[in-house]
Amino acid sequence: QKEVEQNSGPLSVPEGAIASLNCTYSDRGSQSFFWYRQYSGKSPELIMFIYSNGDKEDGRFTAQLNKASQYVSLLIRDSQPSDSATYLCASSITGNQFYFGTGTSLTVIP
Amino acid sequence: EAGVAQSPRYKIIEKRQSVAFWCNPISGHATLYWYQQILGQGPKLLIQFQNNGVVDDSQLPKDRFSAERLKGVDSTLKIQPAKLEDSAVYLCASSLDRASGSRSEQFFGPGTRLTVL
Repeated sequence: QKEVEQNSGPLSVPEGAIASLNCTYSDRGSQSFFWYRQYSGKSPELIMFIYSNGDKEDGRFTAQLNKASQYVSLLIRDSQPSDSATYLCASSITGNQFYFGTGTSLTVIP
Repeated sequence: EAGVAQSPRYKIIEKRQSVAFWCNPISGHATLYWYQQILGQGPKLLIQFQNNGVVDDSQLPKDRFSAERLKGVDSTLKIQPAKLEDSAVYLCASSLDRASGSRSEQFFGPGTRLTVL
């Protein structure tokens, strides 16, 4: 069983819509969760991290964590074509090991 | 602030040859990571250094892969001999301090794209 699982997509949303990206993790000892954006041919860049249950908002991005359900999500409001990328979910247990999901490909259609 | 530097950016070799990658982390970052990212997959951690000591190398194929971080700054990752399945992007990342726990943000370099023929 993979530590972090994501729906590989592709996910397509129209411009201006809300994009919802989901991630589940298997190890209940996971403490922190990260969302990275990776453009094709580029390296991952951090969008948000979350470690407490609930929501965390940063501009158009909202990360949601539910430790009881072992579920992490990322909402992108007012999606823009520039948001088209692969979104990677990652978990960390102790700072020793970071586990990445396979990523969800998002396309925002103008 | 300069980012994580990696070289070369691209490398093409034949199977059974050797190859080495170099990484220079962000100045002052104690922790350095090497990841392997195969096309269509997420990054897989190969090895993690804290200063010049190895923290985690559980997923490093030690029969052919080796890595070192001399003086706790630059790092090299070597593959000897290479196999076809080693074709991937090799990403180096660094973070400020592992002591800050699992909340440390990792900054990634541009990666080295390796093709093994």
